Amino acid sequence: SQQGEEDPQALSIQEGENATMNCSYKTSINNLQWYRQNSGRGLVHLILIRSNEREKHSGRLRVTLDTSKKSSSLLITASRAADTASYFCATVQAGNNRKLIWGLGTSLAVNP
Amino acid sequence: GAGVSQSPSNKVTEKGKDVELRCDPISGHTALYWYRQRLGQGLEFLIYFQGNSAPDKSGLPSDRFSAERTGESVSTLTIQRTQQEDSAVYLCASSLVGGANVLTFGAGSRLTVL
Repeated sequence: SQQGEEDPQALSIQEGENATMNCSYKTSINNLQWYRQNSGRGLVHLILIRSNEREKHSGRLRVTLDTSKKSSSLLITASRAADTASYFCATVQAGNNRKLIWGLGTSLAVNP
Repeated sequence: GAGVSQSPSNKVTEKGKDVELRCDPISGHTALYWYRQRLGQGLEFLIYFQGNSAPDKSGLPSDRFSAERTGESVSTLTIQRTQQEDSAVYLCASSLVGGANVLTFGAGSRLTVL
């Protein structure tokens, strides 16, 4: 099935640094969502950006969306060890908001 | 309930046995999804239920896999004659239909087939 792509696949940074993850997708979307997963268990929704939005903030999270390039980025500022997790993007396709199309995820390690 | 509840959280079984995994979605969420996630991999869509509509079974990998949902409540995913390649975390999620389709996930059921 069609999937988004995230890069990098893995990222290792020091506490206090910023972490940037990217997501690309292939079809027109209704919205794009970012989720976080700790230790291979349930995912938690972080932030949603609609197709008519270009940037959104939530606490230390900043998401951008470029529909012309079909890409999004997630920036985590002033990272903490507790931010260590896998981060997934998911797109809700325009005209079909049932299935989410998932990326393969970025594994982030924040070293104390 | 307050969240999506899955059981069992861990299941170890022998090859060839049948297993049943349960998901209790958030009350009022009409949409329910099952995903499979192998170690270190992304989410693999299995099946989608929405209200009383026919489920979207397009992601089920073989006829050994089946799922049921009664109305808008509990769902069960059944794997018959388990194989070692079925070992994975099985994630259930629910959402409100018609909105932005933000999913709430359960903690998952980790299946190990020996």
